[in-house]
Amino acid sequence: QVQLVESGGGVVQPGGSLRLSCAASGFTFSNYVMHWVRQAPGKGLEWVTFIRYDGSNKYYTDSVKGRFTISRDNSKNTLYLQMNSLRAEDTAVYYCAIFHGGSLAFDIWGQGTMVTVSS
Amino acid sequence: EIVLTQSPGTLSLSPGERGTLSCRASQSVSSSYLAWYQQKPGQAPRLLIYGASSRATGIPDRFSGSGSGTDFTLTISRLEPEDFAVYYCQQYGSSPPLTFGGGTKVEIK
Repeated sequence: QVQLVESGGGVVQPGGSLRLSCAASGFTFSNYVMHWVRQAPGKGLEWVTFIRYDGSNKYYTDSVKGRFTISRDNSKNTLYLQMNSLRAEDTAVYYCAIFHGGSLAFDIWGQGTMVTVSS
Repeated sequence: EIVLTQSPGTLSLSPGERGTLSCRASQSVSSSYLAWYQQKPGQAPRLLIYGASSRATGIPDRFSGSGSGTDFTLTISRLEPEDFAVYYCQQYGSSPPLTFGGGTKVEIK
């Protein structure tokens, strides 16, 4: 079945770096725009970034521009999020998600991976 | 950037009651790109409604969406125990960013 599985979360000090991965299965990965969405503890959902099918276009929310980089490896069916210069306010569960069924909405989500930025 | 404002912040209702959740946009949103999600503690969000009024696969018909332009509504006709959760609206316009509302928590009265 269609599945997204995130990994790579953990505890990192302010100013540090972390790389998240999202392994996709059950669908043709290279045909889909891939997104990262995050949720700080006790807070709402925040879209972070997306990358188009071949990686040619990437978009970021303002608060992560210049610090986060989204990328993908279509040969490995894997999405990445390189996070540098991490701040306390980046602490959140990070989900990868896609518009899969033609609904123009996130109908497939991963289970999320927790990132904690703390000294 | 389109800002989505959801109200009320918390809705206290009893099972069997009707729930009406509002999502107001700071500028007009294409109905094709307005969605609603349900999220329970410790879980990823689940798509309920897309295109403002179409139910996603497997969603019971007690959930319905309506609205256009800047005002959208999610209605739960008769609350079941499993419907107590947080609900988010979301828009995806012609250009980034994609935005979510702040959420409405539906709690047991």
